[in-house]
Amino acid sequence: KQEVTQIPAALSVPEGENLVLNCSFTDSAIYNLQWFRQDPGKGLTSLLLIQSSQREQTSGRLNASLDKSSGRSTLYIAASQPGDSATYLCAVYGGATNKLIFGTGTLLAVQP
Amino acid sequence: GAVVSQHPSRVICKSGTSVKIECRSLDFQATTMFWYRQFPKKSLMLMATSNEGSKATYEQGVEKDKFLINHASLTLSTLTVTSAHPEDSSFYICSARDRRKGNEKLFFGSGTQLSVL
Repeated sequence: KQEVTQIPAALSVPEGENLVLNCSFTDSAIYNLQWFRQDPGKGLTSLLLIQSSQREQTSGRLNASLDKSSGRSTLYIAASQPGDSATYLCAVYGGATNKLIFGTGTLLAVQP
Repeated sequence: GAVVSQHPSRVICKSGTSVKIECRSLDFQATTMFWYRQFPKKSLMLMATSNEGSKATYEQGVEKDKFLINHASLTLSTLTVTSAHPEDSSFYICSARDRRKGNEKLFFGSGTQLSVL
């Protein structure tokens, strides 16, 4: 059974800091991995998708890496802003279950 | 990009009533849709996978008679919470896979906040 864990569970940083969010998964037979952002009481916003054959994806201040063999992904946020405050979720798709399984989430607070 | 519309966004109902949530793919055909449930400050838990024209596959621990899923067409899946009780209060969100894109990313609805009094 695929299990996806995110560390840390919560993170508070001052504005301007660079930060790294971690995601680990137990079954490395995945098709892709996605990072999402969720604001309180809202749906999901897809940030980045990394195919299993890729090592990283970049979008603006965000960079996501994938090490499939070790079952890990990181989301790097550069020059954090208060507007980045949200819950960040990683999710893996595929493997034996062919389902999208979400991680436990990281609640990020960027202090002005 | 692909759009998934989920309706209603919020519903408040009395205990014992049934609530239907709709999930529509607006500009693509979705062979597979997924239904998730999210408790406050928790991650999304997969409830079931619905495939067009066939019965839904439920995750372990999810009551199929409580959460009825119908995927009657390539653009519509519905989740009906039958005889809702306060413990069914939660945030429900659907996602759909674009059949043209194979196993690429899924597209999500905006979610439904269900409150059962």
